[in-house]
Amino acid sequence: EPEVTQTPSHQVTQMGQEVILRCVPISNHLYFYWYRQILGQKVEFLVSFYNNEISEKSEIFDDQFSVERPDGSNFTLKIRSTKLEDSAMYFCASSIDRVAFFGQGTRLTVV
Amino acid sequence: AQSVTQLGSHVSVSEGALVLLRCNYSSSVPPYLFWYVQYPNQGLQLLLKYTSAATLVKGINGFEAEFKKSETSFHLTKPSAHMSDAAEYFCAVSEPHSGGGNKLTFGTGTQLKVEL
Repeated sequence: EPEVTQTPSHQVTQMGQEVILRCVPISNHLYFYWYRQILGQKVEFLVSFYNNEISEKSEIFDDQFSVERPDGSNFTLKIRSTKLEDSAMYFCASSIDRVAFFGQGTRLTVV
Repeated sequence: AQSVTQLGSHVSVSEGALVLLRCNYSSSVPPYLFWYVQYPNQGLQLLLKYTSAATLVKGINGFEAEFKKSETSFHLTKPSAHMSDAAEYFCAVSEPHSGGGNKLTFGTGTQLKVEL
């Protein structure tokens, strides 16, 4: 069964460093998303992406964040200069017919 | 704006007992509603979905949920709990928009514990 895959599963980075989280959405899906879940909190929407551009973003998704679909399969989230409060589980999702399927997540720890 | 309220951050049931996890939503348009399950250290797995067809929807692992517009509810049930059902359950609402995508708004989650 097709699934969304994310790499790496864990990432530890120093504050101020740039990180890139990678995702391979399900191949016939057209919408891609990033969500995050800070430990003990609920899952929050960050951004949606369609037709090679951002279709919607939350107030969390500030200038430190960017997304890209560099080729036909990968979908990336870049955090330019990480802060301690960026530590969270980041989930990639893709959707078809308005039903979203999530990856296993990348646990990002900023030290 | 859409929102989801899950009553009870922790629910404990005995194995074999009925599972009832509550979800109420707020939406300005007819919503799409979802339940996702998250096992420890894993991602979000789609349990079931309501997308304006039948109001009683069946999902995986014996779970089902009923959409009640008058009560703005979408409670999740399972007749008989199993130890393997222990996980965190998230209710989510999506307002369809013309672009075809769906931004999900999640509830705070309910941790289900199943005891012998």
